[in-house]
Amino acid sequence: ILNVEQSPQSLHVQEGDSTNFTCSFPSSNFYALHWYRWETAKSPEALFVMTLNGDEKKKGRISATLNTKEGYSYLYIKGSQPEDSATYLCAFSNDYKLSFGAGTTVTVRA
Amino acid sequence: EAQVTQNPRYLITVTGKKLTVTCSQNMNHEYMSWYRQDPGLGLRQIYYSMNVEVTDKGDVPEGYKVSRKEKRNFPLILESPSPNQTSLYFCAVRISHGYTFGSGTRLTVV
Repeated sequence: ILNVEQSPQSLHVQEGDSTNFTCSFPSSNFYALHWYRWETAKSPEALFVMTLNGDEKKKGRISATLNTKEGYSYLYIKGSQPEDSATYLCAFSNDYKLSFGAGTTVTVRA
Repeated sequence: EAQVTQNPRYLITVTGKKLTVTCSQNMNHEYMSWYRQDPGLGLRQIYYSMNVEVTDKGDVPEGYKVSRKEKRNFPLILESPSPNQTSLYFCAVRISHGYTFGSGTRLTVV
């Protein structure tokens, strides 16, 4: 079992504030790091797939960075909006397996 | 557009009554997998399949079976369901580096 940890488990953000949270993963045998956005009653939606050390990806107000040497990735939400409320999952993949962290649940208060 | 069709969305059954959750894809991709999601634990891999007639155990395979007789279908079989298999199940298909998930099956075993 590949150990993927996310912190914090949950956070509350005021609308308009920016926030970030962490995913840590094994630094050996790295293949790819994934971020998903998951809303209740829906299936996980892919945000980013990152494969190279130093990768930075951006999608609207959400961005992510990757450090494969030390085994961590950050997800940033700039100017949080209520529609950003969701659970954000990171997952570490090798050739045949996708191992998930438990997720960070973000609640944006209006 | 990539499509992963998972059925049923909701299922309530009794202990010991065999059931099958279906998953199909329209993209001719080789890799498919099954996950279960439980509160606080993230998504855990049950079984995966690298191609037709090639399947292997994930992290939590006990009590489950799968088959891959054709590329498009990857059913999850519970021969004798028990209450500890009450969970939310997702099928996933790997597309290049990323994964697309089915809509989920919420299973309750009483």
